[in-house]
Amino acid sequence: AQKITQTQPGMFVQEKEAVTLDCTYDTSDPSYGLFWYKQPSSGEMIFLIYQGSYDQQNATEGRYSLNFQKARKSANLVISASQLGDSAMYFCAMREPPYGNNRLAFGKGNQVVVIP
Amino acid sequence: EPEVTQTPSHQVTQMGQEVILRCVPISNHLYFYWYRQILGQKVEFLVSFYNNEISEKSEIFDDQFSVERPDGSNFTLKIRSTKLEDSAMYFCASSEIRDRGSGYTFGSGTRLTVV
Repeated sequence: AQKITQTQPGMFVQEKEAVTLDCTYDTSDPSYGLFWYKQPSSGEMIFLIYQGSYDQQNATEGRYSLNFQKARKSANLVISASQLGDSAMYFCAMREPPYGNNRLAFGKGNQVVVIP
Repeated sequence: EPEVTQTPSHQVTQMGQEVILRCVPISNHLYFYWYRQILGQKVEFLVSFYNNEISEKSEIFDDQFSVERPDGSNFTLKIRSTKLEDSAMYFCASSEIRDRGSGYTFGSGTRLTVV
C-alpha cells in the first residue's frame, strides 16, 4: 500500500507567488517523521524541512513551511515568494517506526516550474 | 556544511559487469543508506547499515547487491552482475541518529547507465 501520496500534476508558478504542494500519508503508528526534499534537474536530493508527528507547531525553514494537519494525515509544503531557482521536483517522504526500520518512504513527487 | 560525497557522478557499464559505487558519509553519522531512483520514478529504499552490518534491506536488495564499509570513511554499494534495469540514480545517505528528522543527508548521487 502506498504510504505517501502526491497527486498534483506539474505546476507552473509565477515568480514571487506562493505555491502549496500536497502530500498525504498513511500510517497507523503515532510516532513518525515527515520530510520534504527538493530535486533540481541536476539530480541531487536537497533536504528542505522536517516535521515530527509530536511537534506542536508547524515546521518552518526560511521560505518553506509545512502545513501539518495530523488528523487529516496531510503535510503540505508551502513555498513563499517563489524564485526561478525553485523550479524542481519536490518529494514528500515519511519515516516511521518500529525502530530498526529507519527507511524513508517517498512519494512520486511534484514538478514545479517557476515562470518569470 | 558537512556533506555526503559520492563517486563517480556518472558511470556507464556493460551488462553483466560489476560496479562499485562509493560514498563518504558525514564523519559523525552512524547510519548509512542506499536509495535508488529509476528515471522519472520515485526514490526507493535499498538498504540501511549500522554498526558494520546491514540493519534492514528492501526486496530490491537481492543477492546481486552488497554493501561494505571497508575502512572508517567509505561506504560502498557493489552490484555484481549488472542488468539493464539497474540503470538508475543511486543515492547514498547518512544520519546521525535514528529518530531526528533533519539528520538525513543525501549525496549528489551516481547516475548508473547499463548498456
